[in-house]
Amino acid sequence: GAVVSQHPSWVICKSGTSVKIECRSLDFQATTMFWYRQFPKQSLMLMATSNEGSKATYEQGVEKDKFLINHASLTLSTLTVTSAHPEDSSFYICSPLQQGPGHYYSNQPQHFGDGTRLSIL
Amino acid sequence: DAKTTQPTSMDCAEGRAANLPCNHSTISGNEYVYWYRQIHSQGPQYIIHGLKNNETNEMASLIITEDRKSSTLILPHATLRDTAVYYCIVRVHPKTSYDKVIFGPGTSLSVIP
Repeated sequence: GAVVSQHPSWVICKSGTSVKIECRSLDFQATTMFWYRQFPKQSLMLMATSNEGSKATYEQGVEKDKFLINHASLTLSTLTVTSAHPEDSSFYICSPLQQGPGHYYSNQPQHFGDGTRLSIL
Repeated sequence: DAKTTQPTSMDCAEGRAANLPCNHSTISGNEYVYWYRQIHSQGPQYIIHGLKNNETNEMASLIITEDRKSSTLILPHATLRDTAVYYCIVRVHPKTSYDKVIFGPGTSLSVIP
């Protein structure tokens, strides 16, 4: 099955630090990447959608200057939480959408990374 | 908003079948029913999906009503490792465009020894 690698799995840092989270699709190409975050005892909330080579689309209420997304290749997307504060502490999860032949998306189920637990002190 | 409704929580005895219901009364003809689960502190894991026929794989069975307005995920012999939050999602199969996967609250399943 498809493998998604998300790194780091856990990070603790001081307030004001910027944190970069990487998401790699190891055995497939992903034109599109979804980024979610999840607060304790809550469901996953979609933050943004990125397409390779273009700007990400952010959901309402998500600050694009706070959460920088770079989708520079078909196998790698990064989310950078800039000047992180305690309220940014959360579980961040990536989900690459597998590319199929031509301009089509694969009909395979959407895959998810194992998440990054971010704790800002 | 999520297009599905599920019970908040359920208990199931170990070794028994776990039947998790999902209502999706506004489902469109081209939308599939997907089930994922999330074990604590992990990313969601795909379980099964279907359009209108019942489906079975090594993990579970999916029963979809004839009118497609509801479905049931069946874990035939629940184990303690099946304790997780189960999400029922409806979406079109991505082809030339994609449908954002929106998660509802899901059902928290507790398998009890």
